[in-house]
Amino acid sequence: SQQGEEDPQALSIQEGENATMNCSYKTSINNLQWYRQNSGRGLVHLILIRSNEREKHSGRLRVTLDTSKKSSSLLITASRAADTASYFCATDSTGYSTLTFGKGTMLLVSP
Amino acid sequence: DAGVTQSPTHLIKTRGQHVTLRCSPISGHKSVSWYQQVLGQGPQFIFQYYEKEERGRGNFPDRFSARQFPNYSSELNVNALLLGDSALYLCASSPRTANYGYTFGSGTRLTVV
Repeated sequence: SQQGEEDPQALSIQEGENATMNCSYKTSINNLQWYRQNSGRGLVHLILIRSNEREKHSGRLRVTLDTSKKSSSLLITASRAADTASYFCATDSTGYSTLTFGKGTMLLVSP
Repeated sequence: DAGVTQSPTHLIKTRGQHVTLRCSPISGHKSVSWYQQVLGQGPQFIFQYYEKEERGRGNFPDRFSARQFPNYSSELNVNALLLGDSALYLCASSPRTANYGYTFGSGTRLTVV
């Protein structure tokens, strides 16, 4: 079963624009992670935010976490064509890094 | 430093057969997990091993089994293959189990015909 639900399912933007993806989940969590996947291959870890954190930055990425609403958002600023990929949120409810993934958001960045 | 390596990259099997997938974690990583990703879906957790002990098991039938070796590499075994087992099987490693992001391998694409 999948705990996280990403929104939107697909997003199409132009290079230079910002991309925002949202994730909702159902149960309490230890941390929430975002991953990127290119062309159905391996996932790349982007960022981890713990349940006691509200915001985290990494380069052009900004992640927020609202545990009261059980939701998170991933913002990619100044998007590039190379950002084209599927993005997944994954929740760790156990504290042992057993991740539950959502279905993902497909991001298309056009030059 | 080599990343997480999985073998084989692609595999075609017939229904009812058995398959073994292999994974070598990043050097020094003691935690290995397996995920199944069906086309169009997010990965689903199958197993987690840490220090050669099973630490977690997802909602998969007993046809699925795994183990971790003293060098922390791991095998995923699937018996009596069904068409529905066709998927990308992903292995991921991390230094330990708590509050660490995973490094994923490129996966093994299994097709059951």
